[in-house]
Amino acid sequence: GAVVSQHPSRVICKSGTSVKIECRSLDFQATTMFWYRQFPKKSLMLMATSNEGSKATYEQGVEKDKFLINHASLTLSTLTVTSAHPEDSSFYICTTGLPYNEQFFGPGTRLTVL
Amino acid sequence: QKEVEQNSGPLSVPEGAIASLNCTYSDRGSQSFFWYRQYSGKSPELIMSIYSNGDKEDGRFTAQLNKASQYVSLLIRDSQPSDSATYLCAVRGEGGGADGLTFGKGTHLIIQP
Repeated sequence: GAVVSQHPSRVICKSGTSVKIECRSLDFQATTMFWYRQFPKKSLMLMATSNEGSKATYEQGVEKDKFLINHASLTLSTLTVTSAHPEDSSFYICTTGLPYNEQFFGPGTRLTVL
Repeated sequence: QKEVEQNSGPLSVPEGAIASLNCTYSDRGSQSFFWYRQYSGKSPELIMSIYSNGDKEDGRFTAQLNKASQYVSLLIRDSQPSDSATYLCAVRGEGGGADGLTFGKGTHLIIQP
């Protein structure tokens, strides 16, 4: 399957700061990538679809001004959590999209907001 | 709203036995079905994908799909302690690779040595 990396793997920040998470496709050019969020002992929830060269598509209930997604190249999508608060603490994971039919997950980023 | 239902478990199976995991989904228009394995603290790993009715086998894993019953299952033969994990069922609609997945809450599987 496709290889996806994420950076950082773990981040701890103070409430009110912004955090940027990078998702890179290492062995393919990704026209589409997806961002998911997983709270402790909960399932994964799709947050948004990241489209290369155009605006991201957000799922209902996800604030686009709080979770900024940029997909400026075919190998990099970034998610910025702006003005993070403790309730944003979660496991954030990106996956492949097109051209793959199957979704392969990156290793994830665990965000803790104090 | 699309829903994917799984028994949360834990499901306890003796080593060497067959583990059977089940999943139902609400959206009759769903076209693609996936099983992921997730170890604690790690991201999900794709085990199987299935797109048409019937069985699909890959090593010790067999996925079964029945679209009429809106039911998908995963069988793990010769269960090993390393199979102990949470198994997530995921479903996607007609958009193919352009659409995200809807996940169930997962079944926690424990293989007893």
